[in-house]
Order: sequence, then structure tokens, then C-alpha cells
Amino acid sequence: GAGVSQTPSNKVTEKGKYVELRCDPISGHTALYWYRQSLGQGPEFLIYFQGTGAADDSGLPNDRFFAVRPEGSVSTLKIQRTERGDSAVYLCASSRGRGETQYFGPGTRLLVL
Amino acid sequence: AQKVTQAQTEISVVEKEDVTLDCVYETRDTTYYLFWYKQPPSGELVFLIRRNSFDEQNEISGRYSWNFQKSTSSFNFTITASQVVDSAVYFCALSEKETSGSRLTFGEGTQLTVNP
Repeated sequence: GAGVSQTPSNKVTEKGKYVELRCDPISGHTALYWYRQSLGQGPEFLIYFQGTGAADDSGLPNDRFFAVRPEGSVSTLKIQRTERGDSAVYLCASSRGRGETQYFGPGTRLLVL
Repeated sequence: AQKVTQAQTEISVVEKEDVTLDCVYETRDTTYYLFWYKQPPSGELVFLIRRNSFDEQNEISGRYSWNFQKSTSSFNFTITASQVVDSAVYFCALSEKETSGSRLTFGEGTQLTVNP
């Protein structure tokens, strides 16, 4: 079956702009996660959805970051007033449930100029 | 708080050599899961293995093997007869069942280069 897909694959924006990153999880996976990976580092957790609700958003760095999953499938990560420090690869993963293996998408590479 | 340490930042070997990637973890939970992921130059994280804390049996899958030792909080990964295609960044990760929910905590990764 199809894996996790993310769009766009690359996004270049200017400081202060708003961006949306989309994640389409594996069909039937109820859990969805967002991570951020800076160059030369391991991925860092941002937020976890179980179904439609954010079960854990403690990894979001500040209130400029927000994510939704309105129908329990596709999720959108939204970043307001982007800063150069937001430049990173944003990874999405999904799993069958809590504690199960997470399968990752190809990521969205965000560059804030 | 959970933590994963991969002390080896970079390893370089010649093809057909065996190589071991080290992973040490910290957790207060009694139930947890350990993972290894491979990140080739293309960038996508590829799942390799998942172990739960109650299963200390070593595992072998082809040229890959994993050694899980709770006594030393280690979950090391060995590639036998390495190949150029094994060149990638390898991440060890930890998930706690209770304390931190489902989040994965990753190590910093080990860049493995296999030279022909």
C-alpha cells in the first residue's frame, strides 16, 4: 500500500510569511506525528494526534506553530510569522496506534529567507 | 526524561568489514520500545527494527543484527559484511509507554560511510 506522503517536498518562503505543510498518513493509521529535523541532528518531536485530537502538543516550540487533523486522516502543520530559525525538514509519521511502529514520510524541506 | 545517546558521530569502513553502531538509552519507565531507523542520502527515514523492553532476545535479519542489553541500557546494531549501499545515517530511538506517550526520542545519529 501507499506510504506516508507529504506536500510540498520543498517550500521557500520569506521571513514573516505563513506556511502550511500537509501530511497524508498510511490508510487506517489512527496515530499521526510531526517531527522537525535540523541539519546534522536527529528528528525532534512536535505533536501527536490520536484520531482528530492532539493527544500531545508539548513539542511545539511556540504559539506560532499549530497543527490540525479535522477528519482523523490528513493533517496540516501551520506556521505563522515564519522566522529563519524555522528552516528545517518537517517530517510526518503515522502508526496503527499508540506505541506502534512509526512510518515516516519523505519530509518537507522548509527554507525561510 | 528519556534520552538516547549515539556516541559515534561518524564511522568509515571498507566494504565487507563488519561494523557496530552503539546506542545507549535512559528511561524511568519499565515498559518502553527501542527502534533503529536508516536515513539514506535521499532523506527518508526507513524503519529497521522495533524491540519492546521485555524482549531481550537478540535479533538477526540478513546482514543486520541487534544486541539488546537492559543491564547496560544498550541497543547496539551490527552490520556484517558491509556494502556501499549501507552508507547512510542511522538513528536509534526510544518510546516510553507511559511517561512520554508515543513520542520518539532520537539520538543524534551515526553517519556510516562504506567505501568500496
